[in-house]
Amino acid sequence: QVQLQQWGAGLLKPSETLSLICAVSGGSFSGYYWNWIRQPPGKGLEWIGEINHSGSTSYNPSLKTRVTISIDTSKNQFSLKLNSVTAADTAVYFCARGYWNDRSSDYWGQGTLVTVSS
Amino acid sequence: QSALTQPASVSGSPGQSITISCTGTSSDVGRYDYVSWYQQHPGRAPKLMIYEVSNRPSGVSNRFSGSKSGNTASLTISGLQAEDEADYYCSSYTTSSTLVFGGGTKLTVL
Repeated sequence: QVQLQQWGAGLLKPSETLSLICAVSGGSFSGYYWNWIRQPPGKGLEWIGEINHSGSTSYNPSLKTRVTISIDTSKNQFSLKLNSVTAADTAVYFCARGYWNDRSSDYWGQGTLVTVSS
Repeated sequence: QSALTQPASVSGSPGQSITISCTGTSSDVGRYDYVSWYQQHPGRAPKLMIYEVSNRPSGVSNRFSGSKSGNTASLTISGLQAEDEADYYCSSYTTSSTLVFGGGTKLTVL
């Protein structure tokens, strides 16, 4: 059974860097795209970006200048860094496994609430 | 990239059928058969219900079906049940090699 377990700091101050890690177990790490998706409180889903096992990335244009997604295939982990955070970045952040063709996500992490507040 | 357009809310009585629309552009929904639908209950991670416009993952009820015409995709839920009450999101792959979600639709089972 594929499982995604995510962790990272839940409270940040404005201008700090958000950092989250997602560990994948129970399935192949290659052949998929690994996504980060967020959801502000009471709002909809927003795709942040993706990475494949070769390290090829794609980002949401609205976040591209602040986002870095990286991968560690030796640990079956991938990570998200979002710098210069503001209150608008307060959200539940999810990691998810995406199919190589249509990017539909069949397995998701449990979600991490990240709050940005001074 | 702009979010796909979904109705904010839909409702139906148990046993009835409802349809949720998802409108994009020729650069996303209209370009590829790469539309997915997700169900999300409060406080939970989204669950994949439909992929590639009309395919159901293993374990998803056949009461859920998907279709597409032009730049608009649709999710239909037949035989509505109380447990179907949730938020539903569509998503599409785009010509920019990105993913875009719809704004979400709240389904109320009356």
